[in-house]
Amino acid sequence: SQTIHQWPATLVQPVGSPLSLECTVEGTSNPNLYWYRQAAGRGLQLLFYSVGIGQISSEVPQNLSASRPQDRQFILSSKKLLLSDSGFYLCARNMGGPGPDTQYFGPGTRLTVL
Amino acid sequence: AQTVTQSQPEMSVQEAETVTLSCTYDTSESDYYLFWYKQPPSRQMILVIRQEAYKQQNATENRFSVNFQKAAKSFSLKISDSQLGDAAMYFCAYAGYSSYKLIFGSGTRLLVRP
Repeated sequence: SQTIHQWPATLVQPVGSPLSLECTVEGTSNPNLYWYRQAAGRGLQLLFYSVGIGQISSEVPQNLSASRPQDRQFILSSKKLLLSDSGFYLCARNMGGPGPDTQYFGPGTRLTVL
Repeated sequence: AQTVTQSQPEMSVQEAETVTLSCTYDTSESDYYLFWYKQPPSRQMILVIRQEAYKQQNATENRFSVNFQKAAKSFSLKISDSQLGDAAMYFCAYAGYSSYKLIFGSGTRLLVRP
């Protein structure tokens, strides 16, 4: 199974509030996990990826952070949200290890910061 | 660095007709994979088709096929017998053997006229 769960599906938060988005995956152990953000009408921006528990690589400096407390759990957080954090957040997975493996995506979380 | 370019921001096709979406990429690697993803209004990213660079035969999935020209670094998607459900954003993506990352193009919006 390549099932990916994302929670919540939709979120409206005030500026300056904290954020926690959760992604959990089923199936193969030790997957690579990814967080992407997509602004309205735009392409995908890679935010973070993880190749194992506690291993996080950041692609874009910002007020967001990611953690991987368990093999199949990936969390995106912020201490204080900005208006520019609004967007559609997608979690993705592929098999472990480097290389051109197919990424499969979750259903996404729509975040609106007011 | 690898780049992926989709030069058609929007395309339109009559239902039941055929349409081709263009994608070019730049890389110095010899082994890599190329992908087409579909993003319908629900915004979930769905894998349409995958092509391994070492395979000379063009990939096909039902009504979807690719024209992979490795020397020209071109990877176009042909949709035959277009259906209303094909209306979506289509993203071309590249994954190299040396990286964990998937590099996306900016997307092409496909409109299907009934």
